[in-house]
Amino acid sequence: EIVLTQSPGTLSLSPGERATLSCRASQSVSSSYLAWYQQKPGQAPRLLIYGASSRATGIPDRFSGSGSGTDFTLTISRLEPEDFAVYYCQQYDSSHTWTFGQGTKVEIK
Amino acid sequence: EVQLVESGGGLVQPGGSLRLSCAASGFTFSSYSMSWVRQAPGKGLEWVSYISSSSSTIYYADSVKGRFTISRDNAKNSLYLQMNSLRDEDTAVYYCARAPSSGWYFVFGYWGQGTLVTVSS
Repeated sequence: EIVLTQSPGTLSLSPGERATLSCRASQSVSSSYLAWYQQKPGQAPRLLIYGASSRATGIPDRFSGSGSGTDFTLTISRLEPEDFAVYYCQQYDSSHTWTFGQGTKVEIK
Repeated sequence: EVQLVESGGGLVQPGGSLRLSCAASGFTFSSYSMSWVRQAPGKGLEWVSYISSSSSTIYYADSVKGRFTISRDNAKNSLYLQMNSLRDEDTAVYYCARAPSSGWYFVFGYWGQGTLVTVSS
């Protein structure tokens, strides 16, 4: 089973700052099958990025994804007040398993 | 507009059973594979089960294999999760989820609001 490890656990930043979130896989992951989600308290997750770097419909261009193999990154170029939330990476592998990272909380400093 | 509405959650004793439903609307349900994803209180997301559009392919997470059964009724635009032999660790909000596009089974583009299952004596 592929394990996804996200870091840091918590990121304390101010609005307008740049956020860089990491997702590391225990084995190589196909970029096509790597996604990022945002979740706010009391809400369902929202798809941000699929295929490691493609933005989902309606996602602002301040969100970008990159990476390949075992190392992937979600970058928020300039944090807006509504971006403070928990972010999860997720992968699908050939054993027909979908796994999520443990999440990174982006909080207001 | 794509809508997914879960129901059927509640309080159940350990060892008990519960059946969750997910009513889908706003899209051609029979064209999309569906999944259940859960989230324990204060914890992260965990994929539970997947079913293809025609029900021909089904997968389960190891943590629920042999206890949970996923099914769907395309005529009723509904997805189900039969949960048996429930354990304390099954306590979670259960979401039904759909791919953003037909055939994109590897990612979850639409989510319901979730239904809470609490397993406790």
